Amino acid sequence: NAGVMQNPRHLVRRRGQEARLRCSPMKGHSHVYWYRQLPEEGLKFMVYLQKENIIDESGMPKERFSAEFPKEGPSILRIQQVVRGDSAAYFCASYSGGASVNEQFFGPGTRLTVL
Amino acid sequence: SQQGEEDPQALSIQEGENATMNCSYKTSINNLQWYRQNSGRGLVHLILIRSNEREKHSGRLRVTLDTSKKSSSLLITASRAADTASYFCATDAKGAQKLVFGQGTRLTINP
Repeated sequence: NAGVMQNPRHLVRRRGQEARLRCSPMKGHSHVYWYRQLPEEGLKFMVYLQKENIIDESGMPKERFSAEFPKEGPSILRIQQVVRGDSAAYFCASYSGGASVNEQFFGPGTRLTVL
Repeated sequence: SQQGEEDPQALSIQEGENATMNCSYKTSINNLQWYRQNSGRGLVHLILIRSNEREKHSGRLRVTLDTSKKSSSLLITASRAADTASYFCATDAKGAQKLVFGQGTRLTINP
């Protein structure tokens, strides 16, 4: 059973470009979370999605950021018109939804560098 | 200040010694989890302790939870150079699905 997959692992963008980060949850998991980690800091929650629905986006910046988890395919975190402050590691985690404990399994992360 | 604050922020010890890291949080929780992160890498899940548990062991790891003080500790016994990493606690607050992470403790094991 493959773990959570994220791609790309590293992404370099120039200011003003778009960044698209992909996350494939563990097989059988229908819940996906996105977290951001700035250098030397802990992870900060961004958004929680179930298939085709955004459940909690309280951690998402109001502009330029969006997330989706379509019926088919990976979850996508999209950052439009990137700025240098968007440089960070973005982690995705998945959860089965059926367990009594919210144990989230993390992917290896995508490290975004904005030049 | 945020939920899940660790202390110390940095800890440097000699190989073979024990390392203790602490985590405090603010709201009622369902569970508390500890993760390890090697430099520039992803998170590795170490151990989960439920709110009705007081202590849990896994190999050289020992985790305690005191819900009255809203605090947890992670003890690594007989440390090894390979234990050098950042350690984070994460809480799963009641009524919420997201994990709230602390700032982490950077542990360095000197050979």
